[in-house]
Order: sequence, then structure tokens, then C-alpha cells
Amino acid sequence: DTGVSQDPRHKITKRGQNVTFRCDPISEHNRLYWYRQTLGQGPEFLTYFQNEAQLEKSRLLSDRFSAERPKGSFSTLEIQRTEQGDSAMYLCAGGRGVYEQYFGPGTRLTVT
Amino acid sequence: KQEVTQIPAALSVPEGENLVLNCSFTDSAIYNLQWFRQDPGKGLTSLLLIQSSQREQTSGRLNASLDKSSGRSTLYIAASQPGDSATYLCAADQTGANNLFFGTGTRLTVIP
Repeated sequence: DTGVSQDPRHKITKRGQNVTFRCDPISEHNRLYWYRQTLGQGPEFLTYFQNEAQLEKSRLLSDRFSAERPKGSFSTLEIQRTEQGDSAMYLCAGGRGVYEQYFGPGTRLTVT
Repeated sequence: KQEVTQIPAALSVPEGENLVLNCSFTDSAIYNLQWFRQDPGKGLTSLLLIQSSQREQTSGRLNASLDKSSGRSTLYIAASQPGDSATYLCAADQTGANNLFFGTGTRLTVIP
């Protein structure tokens, strides 16, 4: 158990709806990363935070995606106007330093 | 853009056999190379991290090597066990911020 939790574990939504995922790292994790993993592929980097500051965003993070980490603790990832191509596993990872990444179990999103 | 490739995509071996998983990357300007394992429906677990200045890292029955000049890394698993069955992913850190580029993984099955 890495101590990183994600909620919900599964989400089924209809195309066009908005969804929000939550990631709770442990309190010592000053860094927080979001990845997306589609079936049969490795995870793809989306964005990362150091404390509450969002320091980098991938080009994969279109305008429909937004991530926040308001108090440097938990983080949320929102997808607006979901599309079928958004169906994937969304993984969150926390860490205390540059070389640490402790992954949560992921949120599996299915867009119908 | 960094591209990470893993061959083979799947591998089945009898218990007790030693095996090697391969990872190649197109851009040798990396800060580190990491190996993870992913069990079905779960997040990733970090196995080994090799800094760009290092040649190899060992942990128990696992040994990872890195050859930056040729853009290759290998993960050697000695005396394989059924519990080693999982998908193994390698990932390159391109920026030093641990925003990782992952390969597509090798799905390993160790047959009792």
C-alpha cells in the first residue's frame, strides 16, 4: 500500500458530461503527478504539482482538462464535455522528492 | 519527442528461469531510467531507478542496466517465481522533474 488513494475507482459517464476525480497522497508528498493510461499502453504524463503550484502540463491536457491542488494536499482532475477518447485509467502519483513516485490504484473512466 | 519501446510485448517462462526484459529509448539525453511493475487493475510499483551516470542497479533478484549511448536498458530477473507475473514498464525521465515517458510494457507470465 503506497498510501495514495484515488476516488472513485470506476466512473461511467455519458459523452458530453463533466467528471471530476480526486487523488489523496500522504501528507509528506510535496509532488503530485497525473497520468493517463489507455488499454495496452504505458501511462502518459498529464501534469504535475509541487505543493500547490502546477509546474508542467502536457500537450495531452487539452482545454477540457483542468487539474488543481488547492492546498498542496489532495488534487482534483476535471474533464469537461467528455468524449469517448477520454476513456482510460487515470493514475495519480505522489512523492517527496524528484525520484519518488508512489502510485495510487487509478480511476477507470468509461465514456459511453 | 522521446519514444520508449519494450520488446517483447508478452513473455511466458517456466518457474525458476532467468529472464531479460528489454527497453529502448530514442533520446539518450535522459536524467534517469526507471522500471515499474503493474499488477492487473492496480497502480504501478517502482522497482529500480538508474541515474544517468550509473550503469546498473540491483535489488534482490532484480538487476537493471543502462546504456545511454545505445539508448537501451535491460531488466534481469533471476530465478523467476509465479509472483513475478505482472506487466513490467520502463520509463525515462527527460526533464529531471520525473515527468516520465513510459514504454508500452512487457506482460510476464511465470508458469508454476
